[in-house]
Parts: sequence; structure tokens; C-alpha cells
Amino acid sequence: KAGVTQTPRYLIKTRGQQVTLSCSPISGHRSVSWYQQTPGQGLQFLFEYFSETQRNKGNFPGRFSGRQFSNSRSEMNVSTLELGDSALYLCASSFAGVDEQYFGPGTRLTVT
Amino acid sequence: KNQVEQSPQSLIILEGKNCTLQCNYTVSPFSNLRWYKQDTGRGPVSLTIMTFSENTKSNRRYTATLDADTKQSSLHITASQLSDSASYICVVSYPSGGSYIPTFGRGTSLIVHP
Repeated sequence: KAGVTQTPRYLIKTRGQQVTLSCSPISGHRSVSWYQQTPGQGLQFLFEYFSETQRNKGNFPGRFSGRQFSNSRSEMNVSTLELGDSALYLCASSFAGVDEQYFGPGTRLTVT
Repeated sequence: KNQVEQSPQSLIILEGKNCTLQCNYTVSPFSNLRWYKQDTGRGPVSLTIMTFSENTKSNRRYTATLDADTKQSSLHITASQLSDSASYICVVSYPSGGSYIPTFGRGTSLIVHP
């Protein structure tokens, strides 16, 4: 059974640009959550999608958005990038959102 | 404010020794507590998940305990191996929207020396 995949694995962007990251969950999983990990703040919850609906959202500005497609694949978008957005972005999938989560390898975003 | 505090921040032990990592939280209401292992450059891997009614959960050489009254948890690693070198993250969640919202600790960095 294939694990959670994230693309791209590495990304370099310039301040002010926008970026879209992609996450393909484990087959059959309907919940996808996104997280930001930085050395300064550790892991922080961004949002969770279940059956194409955002079910929960963390404490991040509106520049961070996401969506989920009918096949459960999810994308997150960050607009007007800031230097502080440099981080490892992780997604995790689970069957229902309340059970065990499986994390992907992450996308390393560097904003210059 | 919901917070999760982990101690120690870092720990160095010799291969074969046991160790215990601590997690204190103020998250309320409580949904579940999870321990994750994260190797450098990789995504976290779930070790244990405990709900309010569970006070012990084991996964091979990893044993987690939960005291919901004092809001404390510990992760005990038995007979450590070099591959146990990693960051161990405690995550406490509260219920929301039919699911839950997690609050992460900053992690304990464990180094196992031969």
C-alpha cells in the first residue's frame, strides 16, 4: 500500500510570490491535514479537510488556504510569501480524521 | 491557552539503556494524546494513541502512560537502540468539528550512543 506522497519535495520561492503544494493520501483515506514545521515554532496545525470540506483550521493568516478534491487529494496554497513562511510543510492522512494519521515526507519551502 | 510542554529538551543515553520522556499539557477539553517519532528530514511516525480512559499503551519497546487527572504523560523506551535516535513529539488534541485540533509539544531530541 503506497504511503502519503507530497510534491514537490523541495521548493525555492521569492518573497511576494505564491506557491501550491500537493498531497496524495493513502488510498481509502478521506481526511487530510496540513502542518507547518519550523525550528522556532515546532509543528503547528494549519487545517484539516474531510470529504472536500474544511473541517478545522489552525491559527494562520488567510494567506494560507487549501482544498481537497473528490479523490481526497489535497492542495495547500500560500499567497504573498514572506521570509517567515520558510518551513517544512507536512501533510498527513487518515481514514476518518480521528484515527491514526500517516505523515508524508514533507515539502521543504525556502523563501528568499 | 492550550499548551504542551516536553522535557527534557534533549537527552543522550548509551545503547541498551532505558529512558523516560515527559509531557505536561493544559489542553482542555481533552480528546487524545499521541506520541510521535520523527527522524531527521522525515515526517513523524505514530508510536501510541491514548484516549481519556486509557492510562497505558505499548508499542514494541515504547510504553506510554497517561494521567488525565494531573495532565501528564510519559514515554518510556526500553533497551534503547541506535535507531531510536530521533525527536519524540507529544501531541494533545481537543475535539472540534467532528474531528480534533492538535497542539504539539516542541519535542525531545534523543541521541543514543554506541
